[in-house]
Amino acid sequence: KNQVEQSPQSLIILEGKNCTLQCNYTVSPFSNLRWYKQDTGRGPVSLTIMTFSENTKSNGRYTATLDADTKQSSLHITASQLSDSASYICVVKAGGNTPLVFGKGTRLSVIA
Amino acid sequence: SAVISQKPSRDICQRGTSLTIQCQVDSQVTMMFWYRQQPGQSLTLIATANQGSEATYESGFVIDKFPISRPNLTFSTLTVSNMSPEDSSIYLCSVERGNTEAFFGQGTRLTVV
Repeated sequence: KNQVEQSPQSLIILEGKNCTLQCNYTVSPFSNLRWYKQDTGRGPVSLTIMTFSENTKSNGRYTATLDADTKQSSLHITASQLSDSASYICVVKAGGNTPLVFGKGTRLSVIA
Repeated sequence: SAVISQKPSRDICQRGTSLTIQCQVDSQVTMMFWYRQQPGQSLTLIATANQGSEATYESGFVIDKFPISRPNLTFSTLTVSNMSPEDSSIYLCSVERGNTEAFFGQGTRLTVV
């Protein structure tokens, strides 16, 4: 069964600190992996998209990694800001005309 | 990118009534997707709406409960029918560009009392 597992479920960090969110997946065949940020009361917004051949991709203070062999991805947030407080969702696209597989998300709270 | 306008953004409804959610996209798309996001859960695909044909529903979702319209390539509606408190959730519409990126509406937060 295609699944995406994220950890931790929630995280609280101080403003200015770094953090890393984890994503493990069992989706096959693999097409791409995406990280989304979802602010409270809003729809998810794309942060990064990675295909099989990509190991690292950055978007400002967000850096995603992908290990297609171990089927793991991480999202690293550098120098966190209060506005980073949101849910971060890992999403995997399988090959073919199949639905996206969503993780449950990590709820990040950045406090002053 | 794609801009999706979804409304209403939130509503509180009486059980037994129905609510229709609208989604307008700023460009033509072949498929539009409707999701449900229950508290603390991941997004679950309800159905895929294709213009000119019946929507395709995922396991556990039926047309009588969640009728969908897709009158043209930029617009779709999802109706939550005969609502019960278990239908309280966030409902999201989405479109995809190629096979690489999905864009979402801001969501409709539904509370059934």
